[in-house]
Amino acid sequence: GNSVTQMEGPVTLSEEAFLTINCTYTATGYPSLFWYVQYPGEGLQLLLKATKADDKGSNKGFEATYRKETTSFHLEKGSVQVSDSAVYFCALSDRGYSSASKIIFGSGTRLSIRP
Amino acid sequence: GAGVSQSPSNKVTEKGKDVELRCDPISGHTALYWYRQRLGQGLEFLIYFQGNSAPDKSGLPSDRFSAERTGESVSTLTIQRTQQEDSAVYLCASSFTGGLNNEQFFGPGTRLTVL
Repeated sequence: GNSVTQMEGPVTLSEEAFLTINCTYTATGYPSLFWYVQYPGEGLQLLLKATKADDKGSNKGFEATYRKETTSFHLEKGSVQVSDSAVYFCALSDRGYSSASKIIFGSGTRLSIRP
Repeated sequence: GAGVSQSPSNKVTEKGKDVELRCDPISGHTALYWYRQRLGQGLEFLIYFQGNSAPDKSGLPSDRFSAERTGESVSTLTIQRTQQEDSAVYLCASSFTGGLNNEQFFGPGTRLTVL
């Protein structure tokens, strides 16, 4: 079945460091790929998405490129801030029995940024 | 409403008791999803509603779990005869339709602890 594997955390970086959180997926067909973020005390929210191969999703300085040849969707940011401290989930959309688009999530990566 | 809301935010119960979790989706969203997040793990899909009907119940872990939805509004997830392994955060999400690329908006979750 479809699945998502992401880098285990926790990841601790200093402010302004370069960030990469690896994510690879297994899927039949052509899923959409997502990164969700959960800030402390808040609900899960969509950070960025890509719907087809070679698409690049970007938001708040974060980027991820849908790589079909390597089945990857790595999250990157050039210069992290303390406010980026959160748990990040890689995910893919999976058509279920109907036209439903349930989301399959990775296990999450906790990111902590030191001032 | 402003966002997806869930209640209660925390629930502690004794093994063997029944619990009911509530989700209020964003007004106008026809699709509603329930997920479960066990400690240190990713989110598991439980069930999906399109309007009142549930075309995909594939994630419900046992017949102790059931869910219903009234109109295109409130949904309740019921767990009967709770077990300790049911302890988790239960997340609800809604989207405008159930289409593949429609963004799902998540509520803050209900943290269930079964003693």
